Amino acid sequence: SQQGEEDPQALSIQEGENATMNCSYKTSINNLQWYRQNSGRGLVHLILIRSNEREKHSGRLRVTLDTSKKSSSLLITASRAADTASYFCAFNTGNTGGFKTIFGAGTRLFVKA
Amino acid sequence: DAGVIQSPRHEVTEMGQEVTLRCKPISGHNSLFWYRQTMMRGLELLIYFNNNVPIDDSGMPEDRFSAKMPNASFSTLKIQPSEPRDSAVYFCASSQDRGRISPLHFGNGTRLTVT
Repeated sequence: SQQGEEDPQALSIQEGENATMNCSYKTSINNLQWYRQNSGRGLVHLILIRSNEREKHSGRLRVTLDTSKKSSSLLITASRAADTASYFCAFNTGNTGGFKTIFGAGTRLFVKA
Repeated sequence: DAGVIQSPRHEVTEMGQEVTLRCKPISGHNSLFWYRQTMMRGLELLIYFNNNVPIDDSGMPEDRFSAKMPNASFSTLKIQPSEPRDSAVYFCASSQDRGRISPLHFGNGTRLTVT
């Protein structure tokens, strides 16, 4: 399969709570990215973390990367109903001969108001 | 910036017909990607171009699928003949550097239904 692994597959929380999603991959990577997809729309880029970085913040988002464990996590703090969407991790692999960005299976997040 | 533009948004066709999906990447982006999304298989990379040249088409499922990029502002994905199992949402995305450092920008997709 082209995909990385994500868990959980689905997550339901109350508004104001934090949401954590995890991603694992199998190859060496150049970077790891997280995307959001609302129903019926294309994916929107949220945050990119390079392979030599361990943690990155953007607003209410916090991403960690552990290359030794080949895993990443996305934390959304103080969630809102508008955060309801599917979230995908994506990892870029390859070298000058060719690059690929491969997507995980996604986590469906539902935030209850 | 208009973003990545895909057309049509929806396509319904009968098995055996030819289908052509179109994409206009963001101006200045030199990489273009075609992905297919289904419930069963998630997001699959079909093919990507760099500077209008196909670099990796290993994800193209069969010879029925072909993609072209005649210039920096236009790409097509063609399925001939189409089959019901081709039903999916097809996304086009563009990037400045094959996604190595810059993120991918996605269009809103074409939902294809083959009956």
